[in-house]
Amino acid sequence: GENVEQHPSTLSVQEGDSAVIKCTYSDSASNYFPWYKQELGKRPQLIIDIRSNVGEKKDQRIAVTLNKTAKHFSLHITETQPEDSAVYFCAASRDTGRRALTFGSGTRLQVQP
Amino acid sequence: GAVVSQHPSWVICKSGTSVKIECRSLDFQATTMFWYRQFPKQSLMLMATSNEGSKATYEQGVEKDKFLINHASLTLSTLTVTSAHPEDSSFYICSAPDRPSYEQYFGPGTRLTVT
Repeated sequence: GENVEQHPSTLSVQEGDSAVIKCTYSDSASNYFPWYKQELGKRPQLIIDIRSNVGEKKDQRIAVTLNKTAKHFSLHITETQPEDSAVYFCAASRDTGRRALTFGSGTRLQVQP
Repeated sequence: GAVVSQHPSWVICKSGTSVKIECRSLDFQATTMFWYRQFPKQSLMLMATSNEGSKATYEQGVEKDKFLINHASLTLSTLTVTSAHPEDSSFYICSAPDRPSYEQYFGPGTRLTVT
């Protein structure tokens, strides 16, 4: 089955700096890669996703890049704000999302004001 | 976007009792729903795939006789934790993909505490 590894496990940045979280996946058939933000006790919230037919996607301060050959994808947050502090999970799925998600281990992001 | 609800949001039960958790897709039909479990400070782990009108598919290591799943309609899946024990205490979250993007919509989760 799929295995998703995520790094780093914790990340502390100063407000206004950029944050980068990286994930690798093992299943070459995976073709849907969402990123979620989860606050304590709440459901995961989709912040951006990318499908395997594109290499990069951007939404305001958030961007995701995908390297299918190397089987890794990254989340980039620019101009971080204290409200970006949360746990971020990457995930991968086959069949463009019809299948269950395999999650990475999570990154706890702390943005220092 | 689509909405998935869960009930209850939290439950406390005694060891040896059973607890039922409901997952509903409010504004779309879901032939498939997924059940995840999340222990404190850990990631979400898939427990089972719930299929409307057929048996659920369980992940390796998940006891199907302990975690009963029923997907009786296109908008409702239930997870029953039978003979609960303290080690079953966790955050249970369901999700369902909606067409045409098949983005996964998550329920708000159910926090189960077994005393």
